[in-house]
Amino acid sequence: GDSVTQMEGPVTLSEEAFLTINCTYTATGYPSLFWYVQYPGEGLQLLLKATKADDKGSNKGFEATYRKETTSFHLEKGSVQVSDSAVYFCALNPSGGYNKLIFGAGTRLAVHP
Amino acid sequence: DSGVTQTPKHLITATGQRVTLRCSPRSGDLSVYWYQQSLDQGLQFLIQYYNGEERAKGNILERFSAQQFPDLHSELNLSSLELGDSALYFCASSPHGGQGDGGYTFGSGTRLTVV
Repeated sequence: GDSVTQMEGPVTLSEEAFLTINCTYTATGYPSLFWYVQYPGEGLQLLLKATKADDKGSNKGFEATYRKETTSFHLEKGSVQVSDSAVYFCALNPSGGYNKLIFGAGTRLAVHP
Repeated sequence: DSGVTQTPKHLITATGQRVTLRCSPRSGDLSVYWYQQSLDQGLQFLIQYYNGEERAKGNILERFSAQQFPDLHSELNLSSLELGDSALYFCASSPHGGQGDGGYTFGSGTRLTVV
């Protein structure tokens, strides 16, 4: 079945460091791909999305490119801030599916001053 | 405020009991999704309703049931509760029930503790 695999956390970085969180997926057809962020004590918020191959989603300095050849959707940010500390979830919406998002396990990011 | 309202925020109950979690979707959204988030299982999709009808089912136990009412709010009923049911339960909504490329809007969750 369809699935999402994320790199295990926690990821610990210093402020202004470069961030990469790896995400790969298994799916038939052409799923839509998403990154969600969960801040402490809150629900998940949509961070960015990409709906077809080679699309780049971006928001708040975060970017991810839909790579069908490597079935990947890695999240990157050039310079992280303490306020980026959160749990990041990669997710897919299977093609032909009824908007049923399938989430990865989540990666916790901790950014220190 | 995301526009998705979940009540209560916290719930503590004993094993064997039954509880009801409530969700009001964002205005205009027709689909409601329920997810369970636990430390060992991550985010697990439970069930989806679209405009009052069940649309998709995930890893939902038989002890759990849900419904969506004519005003589009949804309730998740958990019965014969076990310690392992302790988790965060999230509701999310989206405008559509069919194929789409939009994301969900999540509520802030209900933390259920079974003692």
